Amino acid sequence: GEDVEQSLFLSVREGDSSVINCTYTDSSSTYLYWYKQEPGAGLQLLTYIFSNMDMKQDQRLTVLLNKKDKHLSLRIADTQTGDSAIYFCAEGLRGKLIFGQGTTLQVKP
Amino acid sequence: KAGVTQTPRYLIKTRGQQVTLSCSPISGHRSVSWYQQTPGQGLQFLFEYFSETQRNKGNFPGRFSGRQFSNSRSEMNVSTLELGDSALYLCASSLVGLADRRTDTQYFGPGTRLTVL
Repeated sequence: GEDVEQSLFLSVREGDSSVINCTYTDSSSTYLYWYKQEPGAGLQLLTYIFSNMDMKQDQRLTVLLNKKDKHLSLRIADTQTGDSAIYFCAEGLRGKLIFGQGTTLQVKP
Repeated sequence: KAGVTQTPRYLIKTRGQQVTLSCSPISGHRSVSWYQQTPGQGLQFLFEYFSETQRNKGNFPGRFSGRQFSNSRSEMNVSTLELGDSALYLCASSLVGLADRRTDTQYFGPGTRLTVL
């Protein structure tokens, strides 16, 4: 079935690393995505990873994919207060995005 | 390049009424997808239009419909509104849309906040 699960809340101190985890159920997904949503705004694509990759790094963002366990994570290095937002992982499946419930990241100064 | 615009940004309707929401994609983008975001159900796919044709559809009742015009602008309509239709409706545009073996960056608009009383 189509299901994506995320933990709902993460709190970190400014300057620490944040790790947001996600699991998905459909192994036929070829692309997996991370989106960010700030209050009152739409979704912003942060990064994506192709399913035959284990890792992708993009500046402060590192995505790790364990396809065997269907586990995806997003690591944000040197987390800043401006990173406070809701983060969604999503799998691309049959022409649409299936989203997790979103993880609220709170960054304390 | 202008981003995705959605109008109106906020809307208040009563049960039983109908509503039309509009989405103008980024210039040159031919695919428009619609999503509903609620606190309880999260983000759910409604439908996708490409070149004026509905190409994909989510699991929503027939009260939810849409269309796309030749300039790629899209509208979605909800008839006989119910309280549970209160949500943020997001539209996303991309060049050609997603496919199983192809990605395509989807750019989301700010959404239309619909409140049904």
